Amino acid sequence: GESVGLHLPTLSVQEGDNSIINCAYSNSASDYFIWYKQESGKGPQFIIDIRSNMDKRQGQRVTVLLNKTVKHLSLQIAATQPGDSAVYFCAVLTGANNLFFGTGTRLTVIP
Amino acid sequence: DGGITQSPKYLFRKEGQNVTLSCEQNLNHDAMYWYRQDPGQGLRLIYYSQIVNDFQKGDIAEGYSVSREKKESFPLTVTSAQKNPTAFYLCASSIGPISYEQYFGPGTRLTVT
Repeated sequence: GESVGLHLPTLSVQEGDNSIINCAYSNSASDYFIWYKQESGKGPQFIIDIRSNMDKRQGQRVTVLLNKTVKHLSLQIAATQPGDSAVYFCAVLTGANNLFFGTGTRLTVIP
Repeated sequence: DGGITQSPKYLFRKEGQNVTLSCEQNLNHDAMYWYRQDPGQGLRLIYYSQIVNDFQKGDIAEGYSVSREKKESFPLTVTSAQKNPTAFYLCASSIGPISYEQYFGPGTRLTVT
């Protein structure tokens, strides 16, 4: 099976600082990884994804890093803004139809 | 304005009643999914459908049923057999199978008393 977990349930950062949110997974056969942002009372919103043949992918103010050796995934948010406050969780695809979701890290941005 | 809609946003039911949650998408996506979200837990897959008139059980299908008669619609029925139905229910869709980016609806919060 697969287990997916985030290292910290909560994270507080000062506005303007960089945020790093971590995720660990257990199955070395996992080949697709996604980060989602979920604001209170809303559905998750896709942020960025990465496949196992890459170790880094950048989007607008976000970077995902994949370390397959230690089965670790991180989401970096540059210059964190109040609008970034939300729950962030990773999802890991193992096999054809097995997408496992982490429990999430609640990011709070302090103005 | 393309997207996924779920209705209603909040739903209250008495124990022992079946209830159907609506999910509609106009993204022309083939695949649709239902997840359940509980506090402190990751999303758990209830059912998914990769094509019209076909659907598969997810990890926690017991007490739930679905239909996929139209590409745009994937309603979920929470039956009285579901032991702990109070939760936040999320519908999603993707252009292809589960390995593709999934777009989520706004969710329905179901409370059963």
